Amino acid sequence: EVQLVDSGGGLVQPGGSLRLSCAASGFTLSDHYIDWVRQAPGKGLEWVGRTSDKGTSYTTEYVASVRGRFTISRDDSENSLYLQMHSLQTEDTAMYYCTREVRGGFDIWGQGTLVTVSS
Amino acid sequence: QPALTQPPSASGSPGQSVTISCTGTSSDVGGYIFVSWYQQHPGKAPKLMIYEVTKRPSGVPDRFSGSRSGNTASLTVSGLQAEDEADYFCSSYAGSNNFVFGTGTKVTVL
Repeated sequence: EVQLVDSGGGLVQPGGSLRLSCAASGFTLSDHYIDWVRQAPGKGLEWVGRTSDKGTSYTTEYVASVRGRFTISRDDSENSLYLQMHSLQTEDTAMYYCTREVRGGFDIWGQGTLVTVSS
Repeated sequence: QPALTQPPSASGSPGQSVTISCTGTSSDVGGYIFVSWYQQHPGKAPKLMIYEVTKRPSGVPDRFSGSRSGNTASLTVSGLQAEDEADYFCSSYAGSNNFVFGTGTKVTVL
């Protein structure tokens, strides 16, 4: 079965760090662009960032509000990728989803992992 | 990058049609073919319903259709069914390797 599994969320204090994981099964992660999308409680979806595929050298891009604080990386041996988050702020509180990007649409989604930034 | 504009709510009776709009600019919705739509039920991850403005992924009923006119994309759900009650979000590529989502529309089946 083709799927993504998100993990690593939790409660963190403002200014803290957290690393989210996204594990793929049923397909090779390195062949695909993968994006992170978040959703604050009761709010809409927000695109967070993206990593291109191996063929385009895993380039990354981020929404302005997280640029310089968040980093997407990959581990091809584990068929996984990660979202490292630093200097977390209360407004970063959200459900975080990794999702596979195909032809400009997001066709496979993880189940989401909840990040709560609070003192 | 400001969010794309969607109406907060839409509704229809079973069997009727409902159309949701998604308004952006020539730098996103009007400028690229990469406009997509997502259905999200409470507590669940979003599901891709339309990609590249008009295309349906395998398994999505043909009751769902997409279109675009200028800087506004639309999703139409024909023959409304109870299970179509959900939140719907549009998305568009916005250039420079960025994407933007719509504000979301809650569809109620009366």
